[in-house]
Amino acid sequence: NAGVTQTPKFQVLKTGQSMTLQCAQDMNHEYMSWYRQDPGMGLRLIHYSVGAGITDQGEVPNGYNVSRSTTEDFPLRLLSAAPSQTSVYFCASSYWVPPYEQYFGPGTRLTVT
Amino acid sequence: DAKTTQPPSMDCAEGRAANLPCNHSTISGNEYVYWYRQIHSQGPQYIIHGLKNNETNEMASLIITEDRKSSTLILPHATLRDTAVYYCIVRGIIQGAQKLVFGQGTRLTINP
Repeated sequence: NAGVTQTPKFQVLKTGQSMTLQCAQDMNHEYMSWYRQDPGMGLRLIHYSVGAGITDQGEVPNGYNVSRSTTEDFPLRLLSAAPSQTSVYFCASSYWVPPYEQYFGPGTRLTVT
Repeated sequence: DAKTTQPPSMDCAEGRAANLPCNHSTISGNEYVYWYRQIHSQGPQYIIHGLKNNETNEMASLIITEDRKSSTLILPHATLRDTAVYYCIVRGIIQGAQKLVFGQGTRLTINP
């Protein structure tokens, strides 16, 4: 049982480039989400999904797209990277029943120059 | 969602109990108290949650006051590996409860 996995661990992009951050979980969790964490700040929710085919926006969705074609995978796409998207990105998953304890991946550290 | 207030930092000696307070005076009846921690550069880790009663698991104990306006996370025998930022989060159990809102948390330093 690998839990929540994220790839890559580190990535450097130039402004305007696109890329996809991968997230996968093997716990059959219905709920998956993406957070970003900037230095000295707490985590902020970007997008989330309550099941395959269903996604919704969190508090900071601009500049990011998501899709959920399977229960296991929840990729995060940056269409045109900007320096403001330099951050550490965490993916999380949980069951859709209380108490909703979330399991987090190890994170992807992204730098946009 | 109920707002939480935590001290920005705390220190504790290794082997002693670490008691981390959280104020959530606007908590409503159907809202749970969750605790997560984040060890440097890692993803947050779930610790424990509770509604009304005190709770204990292999990691920690959670003491919730009778009026539910505050709680304390207790790490009974702190080790150096418990050095982390600890987040107290209040969420309801209705749809959308998974949307955790992380504040600044408490930076706990365990000293040898």
